[in-house]
Amino acid sequence: QSALTQPRSVSGSPGQSVTISCTGTSSDVGAYIFVSWYQQYPDKAPKLIIYDVNKRPSGVPDRFSGSKSGNTASLTISGLQAEDEADYYCCSYAGPYTWVFGGGTKLTVL
Amino acid sequence: QVQLQESGPGLVKSSETLSLTCSVSGVSIKSYYWSWIRQPPGKGLEWIGYIYYTGNANYNPSLKSRVSISADTSKNQFSLKLMSVTAADTAVYYCARIMTAQDAFEMWGQGTKVTVSS
Repeated sequence: QSALTQPRSVSGSPGQSVTISCTGTSSDVGAYIFVSWYQQYPDKAPKLIIYDVNKRPSGVPDRFSGSKSGNTASLTISGLQAEDEADYYCCSYAGPYTWVFGGGTKLTVL
Repeated sequence: QVQLQESGPGLVKSSETLSLTCSVSGVSIKSYYWSWIRQPPGKGLEWIGYIYYTGNANYNPSLKSRVSISADTSKNQFSLKLMSVTAADTAVYYCARIMTAQDAFEMWGQGTKVTVSS
């Protein structure tokens, strides 16, 4: 079970859009709809922002969206805001009853 | 209001057993699946294992030989034991609620920092 692959960092200016990729295998990302994304601020617990590839929990702005193609999932944040600066982690169900996280991506808002 | 609270020693000696408890309030642990996740300093998240109140559990293959997760429905809590710890086990440990049997970690505890000392 290897960690999913994410870029270590991405950046964008306020108002722009950024996309974070998450590459796995045909045994995890490619096999299930159970891909989720988490936002984490320094010294805080992660917060679920996307589940089932593209669903948003209540309260998460629609600026956050998710998608998947083959073994790669993506998180897109549109209309970047300063408060979006955080670490982002993808996660996939990898069956049976196992999960795997990505290495995390640091988003910098310029 | 549902809350998850981790508790346990913040310092564990190398080669000993790390023991943590997640106390759940606001919902019965029988209603959901639960998990432990950790994050070493400056690093990413690592899934440790999951538990259902029946005792069904599964673990990260990389930790399987050293880890055990159990549930206590009478206290509405679940626990983590990690044996033969080393400095590599130093991390913030989170407990989390799983949305459904295979889905996302929808709710997290605040995390508890555990340092393994030699």
